[in-house]
Amino acid sequence: QVLLVESGGGLVRPGGSLRLSCATAGFTFSDYYMSWIRQAPGKGLEWISYISGSGSSIFYADSVKGRFTVSRDDVTRTVYLQLSSLRVEDTAVYYCARDRVGATFDHWGPGTLVTVSS
Amino acid sequence: QSALTQPHSVSGSPGQSVTISCTGTSSDVGGYNSVSWYQHHPGKTPKLIIYDVDKRPSGVPDRFSGSKSGNTASLTISGLQDEDEADYYCCSYERRYTYIFGTGTKVTVL
Repeated sequence: QVLLVESGGGLVRPGGSLRLSCATAGFTFSDYYMSWIRQAPGKGLEWISYISGSGSSIFYADSVKGRFTVSRDDVTRTVYLQLSSLRVEDTAVYYCARDRVGATFDHWGPGTLVTVSS
Repeated sequence: QSALTQPHSVSGSPGQSVTISCTGTSSDVGGYNSVSWYQHHPGKTPKLIIYDVDKRPSGVPDRFSGSKSGNTASLTISGLQDEDEADYYCCSYERRYTYIFGTGTKVTVL
């Protein structure tokens, strides 16, 4: 059974930083790309980053490029999203998803809420 | 990198069919057969219901179907049921090795 569970969300001031984690189980972790997707309150889904199974291919949406950093640890089967220079508009539920490539997110975690506010 | 365009809302009675469009450009929807659809009940985790334009994951009812023509992809729900009331999002691969979601459509079962 594929399981994804995000953690690390919380309240942070504008300009602050936060690291999100996504713990996984139930599949061969290194075989899969992993993506981060967010949903701001009252808004739609927004893809923000992916990392390949080897970690060699990483891409970001323009809205977070230069501020967010994705990484993965195959030993702990965890994918991370480092959020820096946070803005009020980064407030959202952040989901990690298993990425079968080709915009196919076949398993999602329950999400973790990040609130950026002074 | 603007969102793909979907209608804000569609509605239908139980048993009817509804179709949701997802319009992009030749750099995303029109350029690749990598379009997926997600069903999202508020407060729950989004669920993959269509991938690669018209493929259904195991366990998804066959009343959900996908298609594409030019720069527009479509999701059709046939035989609408109460539990289909949810938000629906399309997603496409785009030329810059990234992904882009649609604006989302709220489906209401009358």
